[in-house]
Amino acid sequence: EMQLVESGGGLAQPAGSLRLSCAASGFALTDYQMNWVRQAPGKGLEWVSYISSSSGTLHYADSVKGRFSISRDNAKNSLYLQMNSLRAEDTAVYYCARLMRYCSGGNCYFRDYFDLWGQGTLVTVSS
Amino acid sequence: EIVLTQSPATLSLSPGERATLSCRASQSIARYLAWYQQKPGQAPRLLIYDASNRATGIPARFSGSGSGTDFTLTITDLEPEDFAVYYCQQRGNWPPLTFGGGTKVEIK
Repeated sequence: EMQLVESGGGLAQPAGSLRLSCAASGFALTDYQMNWVRQAPGKGLEWVSYISSSSGTLHYADSVKGRFSISRDNAKNSLYLQMNSLRAEDTAVYYCARLMRYCSGGNCYFRDYFDLWGQGTLVTVSS
Repeated sequence: EIVLTQSPATLSLSPGERATLSCRASQSIARYLAWYQQKPGQAPRLLIYDASNRATGIPARFSGSGSGTDFTLTITDLEPEDFAVYYCQQRGNWPPLTFGGGTKVEIK
């Protein structure tokens, strides 16, 4: 069974730091482009960050640019999100999410939709 | 940034009825739209991608249509497990990938 499991959430002080991890199982993380998506309590979904398969391309939402850093270790089948300078508005459930990939005729293609999600980890920023 | 506007915010229906959810994009995104279902305490689940393609394992009562700026998710013959929040998401022009604000389908 393909699965993503996040960890590392918890309570952080404003201006503090936290590092989230996402462990993949049942598939090779190296084959996929990965993302972090968050959801503030009672609110909708917000895309946070993207990383390509090789880590060569990174993207961030404006709301986290310069404060958050996405990375991956394909050998460990793991994805990370380093969160610095945390603010109250960063309080949310953070999901790691895989971008859809399909293969046909010996070639593989990506669709920028999230086809596998973790269960999420709650980050609370408060003094 | 492409803004997605979902309507209505809440839809009150009975099991067996038909649900029609709307998602409007602030500019054309061709057919690059997906729909997700989220139940309380759970992660979202991909239902529809590229406007009208059902994801693996999604029942045929879920269908999507539209192109350009106007999209629709239709759920025919609502089952009790279909009462949830539904989000649309675009990949037409990113970053950023953006989601709509959601439509809650609740039991009447």
